[in-house]
Amino acid sequence: SAVISQKPSRDICQRGTSLTIQCQVDSQVTMMFWYRQQPGQSLTLIATANQGSEATYESGFVIDKFPISRPNLTFSTLTVSNMSPEDSSIYLCSVVLGSGYGYTFGSGTRLTVV
Amino acid sequence: GQQVMQIPQYQHVQEGEDFTTYCNSSTTLSNIQWYKQRPGGHPVFLIQLVKSGEVKKQKRLTFQFGEAKKNSSLHITANQTTDVGTYFCAGEVAGANSKLTFGKGITLSVRP
Repeated sequence: SAVISQKPSRDICQRGTSLTIQCQVDSQVTMMFWYRQQPGQSLTLIATANQGSEATYESGFVIDKFPISRPNLTFSTLTVSNMSPEDSSIYLCSVVLGSGYGYTFGSGTRLTVV
Repeated sequence: GQQVMQIPQYQHVQEGEDFTTYCNSSTTLSNIQWYKQRPGGHPVFLIQLVKSGEVKKQKRLTFQFGEAKKNSSLHITANQTTDVGTYFCAGEVAGANSKLTFGKGITLSVRP
């Protein structure tokens, strides 16, 4: 399975500011996924990031609020922009190496907006 | 849109008891996956089921995919305290834009 390094592991941010979360994978992957998990809840897909193209966003998530970069096959960033307390959540990146391998998740970023 | 349902959300068992939980999809799936998330941790992949009626075992865990490929079950034999955590099922529908849809998960606690 892949090894994903996700930073920061947690942060407390002021409302109105932005936070950029980074994910570095130890192998080249075509797609990277960004999920949000609110405390005690399930995982909701924010967007799929392909290298060399615009990210594909799920319903309810927009590029202006969650811009994503994917400069190469091992790295991606997710920015949470103009934050409000409702953005407090755990954000996770994920990759899949191939059929049958399942998704590997980063350790997550626990964001608290005050 | 596609929905994956897991009910109930919480289950408490005595150490040594068996445990079964179910997962139901609103649509036919190409595969179903199970993940375990320990408290404070991130989801960890357990298994993927692809074939209709498929059964896979991992030590004390038994996973089954329904004949119609719309439901799945996880059975844990003789629960141990190390089994505590939240178990998510996640379904994938075949297609160019296939993505994984997670259920709400079931949080298992084990009384010693």
